[in-house]
Amino acid sequence: GESVGLHLPTLSVQEGDNSIINCAYSNSASDYFIWYKQESGKGPQFIIDIRSNMDKRQGQRVTVLLNKTVKHLSLQIAATQPGDSAVYFCAELLFGNEKLTFGTGTRLTIIP
Amino acid sequence: DSGVTQTPKHLITATGQRVTLRCSPRSGDLSVYWYQQSLDQGLQFLIQYYNGEERAKGNILERFSAQQFPDLHSELNLSSLELGDSALYFCASSPHSGFTGNTIYFGEGSWLTVV
Repeated sequence: GESVGLHLPTLSVQEGDNSIINCAYSNSASDYFIWYKQESGKGPQFIIDIRSNMDKRQGQRVTVLLNKTVKHLSLQIAATQPGDSAVYFCAELLFGNEKLTFGTGTRLTIIP
Repeated sequence: DSGVTQTPKHLITATGQRVTLRCSPRSGDLSVYWYQQSLDQGLQFLIQYYNGEERAKGNILERFSAQQFPDLHSELNLSSLELGDSALYFCASSPHSGFTGNTIYFGEGSWLTVV
């Protein structure tokens, strides 16, 4: 089955190009942020996280940027591949309060 | 495969009915989280159990309840079902009581359709 959320913002990117997915989070006190990838018929899968005392973190082909001033989070995926097609969610958490709050999600489509 | 098993994968039931969704966490994981993913609300945290005890509560309706058993599997009970309860219900598990993104694994979800 598809990921729930048919009215998601969408982003189409040519295979091999870089993609940037943006997210505005809600709570300026949030300590911790996570990006998840959700493929069709599957649960969210952890991609990368960042704590609020950092502004950038890099993983394999992915980079997360955090701008606390404007409560903005972005996920950069380098050299996109067909397997990157999925819905991407940002999520925020306040430590001590285990209530992870998810953003709306963005559907990324990679064009071969 | 995340190692988190959810049953049933799909369920269709009528309004007013009660259903139970089951989750088996990854081997060794003590925490179980339940999330609801619906069209209008997106992904929402419902409740967390750690080693049999309720640890955190989110936007869980009073008509819903959950428990975690001694063998660490968990059940989410949904009663007096309404059309708006139609959603994908995810279970996730983790070894820890506190939330750490890279140690939490989600199951594939249970699709509930209320007609």
